[in-house]
Amino acid sequence: EIVLTQSPGTLSLSPGERATLSCRASQSVINSYLAWYQQKPGQAPRLLIYGASSRATGIPDRFRGSGSGTDFTLTISRLEPEDFAVYYCQHYDTSPLYTFGQGTRLEIK
Amino acid sequence: EVQLVVSGGGLVQPGRSLRLSCEASGFSFEDYGMHWVRQVPGKGLEWVSRISRTSDSIDYVDSVKGRFVVSRDNAKKALYLQMNSLRPEDTGLYFCAKGYLRGFFDSWGQGTLVTVSS
Repeated sequence: EIVLTQSPGTLSLSPGERATLSCRASQSVINSYLAWYQQKPGQAPRLLIYGASSRATGIPDRFRGSGSGTDFTLTISRLEPEDFAVYYCQHYDTSPLYTFGQGTRLEIK
Repeated sequence: EVQLVVSGGGLVQPGRSLRLSCEASGFSFEDYGMHWVRQVPGKGLEWVSRISRTSDSIDYVDSVKGRFVVSRDNAKKALYLQMNSLRPEDTGLYFCAKGYLRGFFDSWGQGTLVTVSS
């Protein structure tokens, strides 16, 4: 079973700053099966990035996914007030089929 | 616009059953695999189950195998999760989600809270 570990647990930044979120897999994964989601309080998650680097429909270009093998990164180039939320990475594999990281909370400094 | 409306949650005693429903609109429901994902309040996400477009392929996370049954009715554009022999650790917010490119979830319902407690 592949375990996804996200870091940091909490990231405190100000609007306009750059955010870098990490997702590390316990073994090498297929890039095309790595995604990132954003979840705001009281809401369902929203797909941001799939295939490690492809933005989902309607996602602003300040969100960028990168990485390969075991190390993946979500970068938000210039934080907007609405970007402060919890972010999860997710992987599709064989068993279990779908796993999530534990999340990174991005909070306003 | 894709809409997924989840219902059926509530407070239930350990060992009892509950059936969740997810009503879909705004897309061709019969063309997509569908999923259930749960979240303990304040905690992370856990995938629960998947059902293919024609119900010929079904999968579960190990912790619910033999207790939960996923099904769908394409004519009614509805997804279901029959949860039997419920345990306290099944407590959480249950989301239905639309599958995307096999590996992802591109639309989510609002979730329904299931609380298993005596």
